[in-house]
Amino acid sequence: GAVVSQHPSWVICKSGTSVKIECRSLDFQATTMFWYRQFPKQSLMLMATSNEGSKATYEQGVEKDKFLINHASLTLSTLTVTSAHPEDSSFYICSAGGTATLRQPQHFGDGTRLSIL
Amino acid sequence: QKEVEQNSGPLSVPEGAIASLNCTYSDRGSQSFFWYRQYSGKSPELIMSIYSNGDKEDGRFTAQLNKASQYVSLLIRDSQPSDSATYLCAVKGAQKLVFGQGTRLTINP
Repeated sequence: GAVVSQHPSWVICKSGTSVKIECRSLDFQATTMFWYRQFPKQSLMLMATSNEGSKATYEQGVEKDKFLINHASLTLSTLTVTSAHPEDSSFYICSAGGTATLRQPQHFGDGTRLSIL
Repeated sequence: QKEVEQNSGPLSVPEGAIASLNCTYSDRGSQSFFWYRQYSGKSPELIMSIYSNGDKEDGRFTAQLNKASQYVSLLIRDSQPSDSATYLCAVKGAQKLVFGQGTRLTINP
């Protein structure tokens, strides 16, 4: 069964709206979670690494004030897309695991398809 | 040079044949290698992991790793139409997982 739960799976909203996406690890505690974005026909691009109890680490080119990440517990990380615009429309995927040891794989949530009108 | 490179395809293989997917990586210090399958509109699903040189088999899937050549591959035997998907090669550095651009595989009945 799923080890990482992501919600919601689909969001359609108007431009200027802020959207919150939740990512939960179900069977384990995750001090680190990852947020990816995937545009059509492209690969996953890491946006940021979410660290429990501390600030997220953002990849180059990702606006931290635009994409707010909160990792307040060992099983929950949230990504808030603030004042979303059509260019933010994408498939957002979180993952957890893969940090305890080098061999531990990452498991992905089901993803959130965000469409900004 | 990209950190992880894959042929984007599309790769077309007849049903029942062997599909061969290839991946090269640039960081010689990489230790962990993964293959994910991604169906259209879905998130990636882990199908194989490999850490040591040589072959690792799991059902119809065989992963091959050659660290000297910085090369990892995935073989799918007896390909089925349900294997049609994009296959992502992922290489793990110190903490981050780096993905290739994926190879789109189509199995023709």
